[in-house]
Amino acid sequence: DAGVIQSPRHEVTEMGQEVTLRCKPISGHDYLFWYRQTMMRGLELLIYFNNNVPIDDSGMPEDRFSAKMPNASFSTLKIQPSEPRDSAVYFCASSRAGGRHNSPLHFGNGTRLTVT
Amino acid sequence: DAKTTQPNSMESNEEEPVHLPCNHSTISGTDYIHWYRQLPSQGPEYVIHGLTSNVNNRMASLAIAEDRKSSTLILHRATLRDAAVYYCTLNTGNQFYFGTGTSLTVIP
Repeated sequence: DAGVIQSPRHEVTEMGQEVTLRCKPISGHDYLFWYRQTMMRGLELLIYFNNNVPIDDSGMPEDRFSAKMPNASFSTLKIQPSEPRDSAVYFCASSRAGGRHNSPLHFGNGTRLTVT
Repeated sequence: DAKTTQPNSMESNEEEPVHLPCNHSTISGTDYIHWYRQLPSQGPEYVIHGLTSNVNNRMASLAIAEDRKSSTLILHRATLRDAAVYYCTLNTGNQFYFGTGTSLTVIP
């Protein structure tokens, strides 16, 4: 089991550019979560999917952010256009067993995004 | 959001036990209490979880108050590798809300 895999590990881009972050969840996990971590706000839940369907995107900051899960083994988080305030570490996490309340989250190692 | 409150930081001597407290006074009856820790430049790592009864695993123990409004993560013998930020979180309706966590420093 390779764990949750995120790419890239680091991304540096200029303001206004499109950024795409990628995530491969653990095989067999049917819940996928995107989190953002900053010093000021800590870990924030952005959106989560169940069986590839977005369930709650109320944490997505604004329309510049979008997330997709075209199949059970892949998800993307896109920011278009990017702004300096989007600079943060973005984590993907997955869980199994239908996401019942006793299923722990498994996190990837994150993508550190810097927007200049 | 289901909120948790933890001290910002704690220190422990190496090989001593560590008790990390967490308050979650708004917990509902079906919320599980989860603990995670985060090492520098890594994603959070699952430590332990429970509902009502105390729990033990190879990493730690979890003591849950009778009214479930607080819990304590117990590391029985702190090592330098246990230096991390520890998060107490509630699993509410398939969503995990993380607070600011406790930064644990282990002193050799």
